[in-house]
Amino acid sequence: RKEVEQDPGPFNVPEGATVAFNCTYSNSASQSFFWYRQDCRKEPKLLMSVYSSGNEDGRFTAQLNRASQYISLLIRDSKLSDSATYLCVVTKGGNNRKLIWGLGTSLAVNP
Amino acid sequence: DTGVSQNPRHKITKRGQNVTFRCDPISEHNRLYWYRQTLGQGPEFLTYFQNEAQLEKSRLLSDRFSAERPKGSFSTLEIQRTEQGDSAMYLCASSYGEEAFFGQGTRLTVV
Repeated sequence: RKEVEQDPGPFNVPEGATVAFNCTYSNSASQSFFWYRQDCRKEPKLLMSVYSSGNEDGRFTAQLNRASQYISLLIRDSKLSDSATYLCVVTKGGNNRKLIWGLGTSLAVNP
Repeated sequence: DTGVSQNPRHKITKRGQNVTFRCDPISEHNRLYWYRQTLGQGPEFLTYFQNEAQLEKSRLLSDRFSAERPKGSFSTLEIQRTEQGDSAMYLCASSYGEEAFFGQGTRLTVV
């Protein structure tokens, strides 16, 4: 089983739609969780951290479920500019802060 | 620009040649990561430094790859006897806390 798994998609949604991505992780000792966004041929950029209590930033909501070992990202009112690959990142547990990356979920928002 | 800086941005080399890439992390970031990414895939972990210590190196990395971070600041990644399969984007990231910040990458093409 991969350490971090994501559905690669692609997700094709119309503008204004709500879309949700899930990411599962295998190491129950994982400590920190993030969603990164990557545009084509660009470097990944941090979208948001994922906190135990869940967090929201405008149209984006991230949640963590430690019991089931998954994190989610919800995008409401999708915009064309949301089209990108969304990468789930988990830090390895313990003193090692190595980042473990999912392969990414591709989103295409269509007019 | 105080972000992560990578040089060169692009490198074309003939098979069998050696190449070296440089990464200058954000000042005072103690952790530095090297990743490789091919089209349609998430970043693949190569190696990880905490200060000048190389804490982990991917088992996938052959002995043709070596990385250094001699003074705990900038890092270099060298690939010896390049092969066509080494063609990829090489990404460097640095962090102090949990969030990692990426450079724009070095795109290597081996011909």
